[in-house]
Amino acid sequence: SYVLTQPPSLSVAPGKTASITCGGDNIGSMSVHWYQQRPGQAPVLVVFSHDDRPSGVPERISSSNSGNTATLTITRVAAGDEADYYCHVWDSSREQVVFGGGTKLTVL
Amino acid sequence: EVQLVESGGGLEQPGGSLRLTCVASGFIFDNYAMGWVRQAPGKGLEWVSAITANSGRTFFADSVKGRFAISRDNSKNTLSLQINSLRAEDAAMYYCAKWSPSGYDSWGQGTLVTVSS
Repeated sequence: SYVLTQPPSLSVAPGKTASITCGGDNIGSMSVHWYQQRPGQAPVLVVFSHDDRPSGVPERISSSNSGNTATLTITRVAAGDEADYYCHVWDSSREQVVFGGGTKLTVL
Repeated sequence: EVQLVESGGGLEQPGGSLRLTCVASGFIFDNYAMGWVRQAPGKGLEWVSAITANSGRTFFADSVKGRFAISRDNSKNTLSLQINSLRAEDAAMYYCAKWSPSGYDSWGQGTLVTVSS
C-alpha cells in the first residue's frame, strides 16, 4: 500500500518558519492536501492540491510538491499555529485515501 | 454554512455492531462524495471509507473491508456507516467529511466509538 511519511514532531520559535515534510513515492505527481488539527477539535483543510487555500486561511501557509516530497510551509509562526498537521493523497491504483502519520508542531 | 453532525457512537462489546449516521446541511448533498475518517485516542487520522455522490461506488480501507458498509440517503441528506464484528482496534472518534476535488473540505465534530466487554 502507498505510504506517506511525516516527521512526528517539529519545534519552531515564534516568528520563524516551519517546514513540515510529507514523503511518498513520486508524490510530486499527485495532488496533496494538508489538514490542521488543534487539540480536541476536528481537522480543518488548510491547503489543497497545488498550493491553494480555502477562504480564511492566511497566505503565510503554503505548500510545494516535487519528486518524493511535499512540504507545508508556515511563515511567521505564532502560538495559534500549534497543532497537528496531516498530509493526504488519493492512491488511485488502490482506490484508497492515504493520510500521513501527522506532525505535531510546537511553538517554543 | 456547511454542517455535518454525526451520531450513533457509544460503548459496544467486541463482536458487536453499531450504525453511525451523519446528517448534512448547508450544501447540495447529492452533488458530493462523502467519507468517514477515524482517529484512535492519541493517534493519527485513519481513512475508513468513502462513497460517491450517487452511491454508485464505495471504497474501503483494508482494515475494515468486509466488516464495514457505507451508504447514503440523498433524500434525507444522510450518510451512514454500518460497523460489524467490532474489534478493540475499531475504538476511535469517527468523523464524517465532505469530499471535493480540494480534499475533505468540511468535517463534523465526530462520534466516539468505545469497544469493551
